[in-house]
Amino acid sequence: GNSVTQMEGPVTLSEEAFLTINCTYTATGYPSLFWYVQYPGEGLQLLLKATKADDKGSNKGFEATYRKETTSFHLEKGSVQVSDSAVYFCALRLGQNFVFGPGTRLSVLP
Amino acid sequence: EAQVTQNPRYLITVTGKKLTVTCSQNMNHEYMSWYRQDPGLGLRQIYYSMNVEVTDKGDVPEGYKVSRKEKRNFPLILESPSPNQTSLYFCASSFSPGLLYEQYFGPGTRLTVT
Repeated sequence: GNSVTQMEGPVTLSEEAFLTINCTYTATGYPSLFWYVQYPGEGLQLLLKATKADDKGSNKGFEATYRKETTSFHLEKGSVQVSDSAVYFCALRLGQNFVFGPGTRLSVLP
Repeated sequence: EAQVTQNPRYLITVTGKKLTVTCSQNMNHEYMSWYRQDPGLGLRQIYYSMNVEVTDKGDVPEGYKVSRKEKRNFPLILESPSPNQTSLYFCASSFSPGLLYEQYFGPGTRLTVT
């Protein structure tokens, strides 16, 4: 079946540090890939997406590139802020099937 | 404003007492879905619906029912709740066709079953 694996958290960084959250997937076809963010007490919000191989999704300084050869979609940001503290979910869509990773909690310290 | 709404946001109930969590979207989306979120497990899909009167089981459907009589509404029904259904529940919606579309999520319903 389809699945998504993310690096385990929590991840704790100082403000302005570089962020990488790893995400790899297993799928029976060629899915679309997403990163969602969940701030405390809120629902999930789409952060960025990529719909085909080599696409780069970007938003709010975050980036992720769809790598078919390594089945990966790692999330990066060059300089994190305290306001980026949240839980990040990697997800895939294949037809009507949406699959989410377990989430990675990020804490950014001032 | 485009949104997915859920009610109630918080609910404490007792084992066996039937309850319904409502979900509504105003974006004319065909696809709607229910998830539960538990620590360390991420989001697991309970049921989904591709359109009116079309529903399918997700990964963890046991103990839940859904209905889709109107396009905008997709209620989640727990006929006889049990403590292992204590969780945070999210409703989501999306345009259905193809692979391109992301899901929009409601704010969540925190359910406690004692």
